[in-house]
Amino acid sequence: GAVVSQHPSWVICKSGTSVKIECRSLDFQATTMFWYRQFPKQSLMLMATSNEGSKATYEQGVEKDKFLINHASLTLSTLTVTSAHPEDSSFYICSARVTSGTYNEQFFGPGTRLTVL
Amino acid sequence: GNSVTQMEGPVTLSEEAFLTINCTYTATGYPSLFWYVQYPGEGLQLLLKATKADDKGSNKGFEATYRKETTSFHLEKGSVQVSDSAVYFCALSDLYGNDYKLSFGAGTTVTVRA
Repeated sequence: GAVVSQHPSWVICKSGTSVKIECRSLDFQATTMFWYRQFPKQSLMLMATSNEGSKATYEQGVEKDKFLINHASLTLSTLTVTSAHPEDSSFYICSARVTSGTYNEQFFGPGTRLTVL
Repeated sequence: GNSVTQMEGPVTLSEEAFLTINCTYTATGYPSLFWYVQYPGEGLQLLLKATKADDKGSNKGFEATYRKETTSFHLEKGSVQVSDSAVYFCALSDLYGNDYKLSFGAGTTVTVRA
């Protein structure tokens, strides 16, 4: 199956700093990638849809200036958490979508654990 | 809006036991339904799916049937193995505006003991 990687797998940062998380589709091209956030023992919450070459579409309640998304190529999307605060600590998961005719499936990365001190 | 409710865990079973994880959904349209599995340290993987009412998805001994009348998609496996220990997520995909998006349940942690 298609492989999606995330880097880093975990990161600890100080409050007020910015953190960039990369999501790569390793063996396929993805015009659409998704960013999710997962709190302990809770479901994945969609944060935004990232479209190659255009602006991301953010879900209601997600601050676009806080969570900057860039999808500059068909294999890479980045999420930058700007001026991070402890409440931004979470597990961030990306996925990349493969679409071919009526076939439509998302492949998920392993996630990035962010801890803000 | 759309939502998915699945059985709370954790669930602990002995090897060869029968596993059921309940999942019900609320949707305004005609969603596709999925079960994803997340093994420790790995990303979510699609386990099985069903795209219309009465469809049965199956994979690796797991099965789930799309029941429109009860809005359910319960996951079952007749004889679990230690290697089935993982977190299982029920999800639905529906059209929001011009795009399909996934909505997930909270996940159920399953531990199988030898």
